Amino acid sequence: DVKVTQSSRYLVKRTGEKVFLECVQDMDHENMFWYRQDPGLGLRLIYFSYDVKMKEKGDIPEGYSVSREKKERFSLILESASTNQTSMYLCASSKRGTGELFFGEGSRLTVL
Amino acid sequence: ILNVEQSPQSLHVQEGDSTNFTCSFPSSNFYALHWYRWETAKSPEALFVMTLNGDEKKKGRISATLNTKEGYSYLYIKGSQPDDSATYLCAFMGYNNNDMRFGAGTRLTVKP
Repeated sequence: DVKVTQSSRYLVKRTGEKVFLECVQDMDHENMFWYRQDPGLGLRLIYFSYDVKMKEKGDIPEGYSVSREKKERFSLILESASTNQTSMYLCASSKRGTGELFFGEGSRLTVL
Repeated sequence: ILNVEQSPQSLHVQEGDSTNFTCSFPSSNFYALHWYRWETAKSPEALFVMTLNGDEKKKGRISATLNTKEGYSYLYIKGSQPDDSATYLCAFMGYNNNDMRFGAGTRLTVKP
């Protein structure tokens, strides 16, 4: 059973804290993505990676960074969390080409 | 930022009704168009991956068409069932084929 696993389903953090969201896939996919989902805005792309150590900015990269040291793992980092980063974060992976995205279950982050 | 737009934003239908939604996307630089179904408390799951102008795909009571020249895709559901209640997302993949941009989704509610 193929899987994308996100490390935490629910997190509560304080403003200014550093936050790590981890994502691991077991499908040997080249591409990995981080999205955030907010009501009425759909899924907005934060960062994506098409290979180990490669990263590309999406539409809303400000306030975020990413790390891809191994093919199976893609981490999203909030260096100093702010309340406007309260959201649902979804990780996804896909094969290179037109391959469909496989999503994790999401991480709901609340920043107080 | 690429504009991928979906309409309507939400839809309420009775069980047994047929329905359809629209996804519009940039007609230039097209590589692929995906449809996903996202049920509450679950991860989005792929319905269709479409690449060719004029493509039609079908899965049970759900089908989709694609017009890449004018930049739109339709998703049809025949004889809606309460289990069809979900948010339906479309995603556009441009020719650099490493990123994926989503529309805001159409939220379908099917009443018994």
